Amino acid sequence: EAGVTQFPSHSVIEKGQTVTLRCDPISGHDNLYWYRRVMGKEIKFLLHFVKESKQDESGMPNNRFLAERTGGTYSTLKVQPAELEDSGVYFCASSQRQGGAYGYTFGSGTRLTVV
Amino acid sequence: RKEVEQDPGPFNVPEGATVAFNCTYSNSASQSFFWYRQDCRKEPKLLMSVYSSGNEDGRFTAQLNRASQYISLLIRDSKLSDSATYLCVVPGAGGFKTIFGAGTRLFVKA
Repeated sequence: EAGVTQFPSHSVIEKGQTVTLRCDPISGHDNLYWYRRVMGKEIKFLLHFVKESKQDESGMPNNRFLAERTGGTYSTLKVQPAELEDSGVYFCASSQRQGGAYGYTFGSGTRLTVV
Repeated sequence: RKEVEQDPGPFNVPEGATVAFNCTYSNSASQSFFWYRQDCRKEPKLLMSVYSSGNEDGRFTAQLNRASQYISLLIRDSKLSDSATYLCVVPGAGGFKTIFGAGTRLFVKA
């Protein structure tokens, strides 16, 4: 079974530019989550999709972040315009059941550096 | 009070030692709990799930105390390969938004 795939693995962009991160969940997993870990801090929830619908986006830091999951398959997270404090590792995870009742499977993350 | 708090660590133990980490949570309605392991610059990977009073898997034992709202992870006969950061993960309010602890770093030395 293919795991959760994230692309790109690394991205270095200048402040003010736009970056789009992609996540392909495990096939059949309706639940898709985005998380972020900034340097020295704990992993923070960003948002949760159930199929193509946003179940909870309370963790999104501000309106520079836009997440989509058209068709309920892969998801994208766009940051526009990027700021220095957006640097960190962005993880995507998926699960079969809501609330991750049997745990989440994480992708290997996208390391974003804004300079 | 943070929603999930873990022992700050780091823990430095010799091979073969037994080590225990604690994690407290604030959401008394939480039903499921998880311990994840994260190696340096890697993604978190599920180590154990805890739904009732506890769970055991080989050298690893997780225990849950609902009255005191804490879970623990016990590692027996530590191996060098156990060196990692251990994350306590608890569903937040509403059951869906997941809260991660800051992690406890473990170093196992020969």
